[in-house]
Amino acid sequence: EAGVAQSPRYKIIEKRQSVAFWCNPISGHATLYWYQQILGQGPKLLIQFQNNGVVDDSQLPKDRFSAERLKGVDSTLKIQPAKLEDSAVYLCASSLMVGGNTEAFFGQGTRLTVV
Amino acid sequence: EDQVTQSPEALRLQEGESSSLNCSYTVSGLRGLFWYRQDPGKGPEFLFTLYSAGEEKEKERLKATLTKKESFLHITAPKPEDSATYLCAVKGNFNKFYFGSGTKLNVKP
Repeated sequence: EAGVAQSPRYKIIEKRQSVAFWCNPISGHATLYWYQQILGQGPKLLIQFQNNGVVDDSQLPKDRFSAERLKGVDSTLKIQPAKLEDSAVYLCASSLMVGGNTEAFFGQGTRLTVV
Repeated sequence: EDQVTQSPEALRLQEGESSSLNCSYTVSGLRGLFWYRQDPGKGPEFLFTLYSAGEEKEKERLKATLTKKESFLHITAPKPEDSATYLCAVKGNFNKFYFGSGTKLNVKP
């Protein structure tokens, strides 16, 4: 079974530039998560989708971050404009359904460096 | 507010020296407690799910237990390849997936 795919693996941008990350979840997984993981910390939930609807985006900095999940499959996370403190690994995860007690499976992540 | 706290932040063990990692939580209506392993430069890898107090799960040298307030990940006779960061996460009534800050385990040969 193919895992969660993310691209790119690495990205370096200057502050105030924009950047986008892409995620393809495991086939059939209805729930998709985006996490931000700063070095030495645990993953912080940014946004959670159920199919193509947003379940929770309470910790997403909406003035600069946006995310969408078209057709309930792939998802993109965008940052515009980027700040130095956005330097982190951005992890995408998926799980079978939001209502069940199912675990989430993670991709390899995208390491973003803002200079 | 749902919260997950892991301790210690870092743990250094000699090969064969058993120990335990702690995950304490406060959550509205626990729907599951999850343990993950994360190697440098990789995404978290799923280990266990625990659903109710008293439940235990084992995998090789790892054993996870759950009470009403905390979970322990016991590592028996660890090997250097067990070195990683171990993350605990909980899912509550609102189906949010909260992670702790992790315990970085280093096992010396």
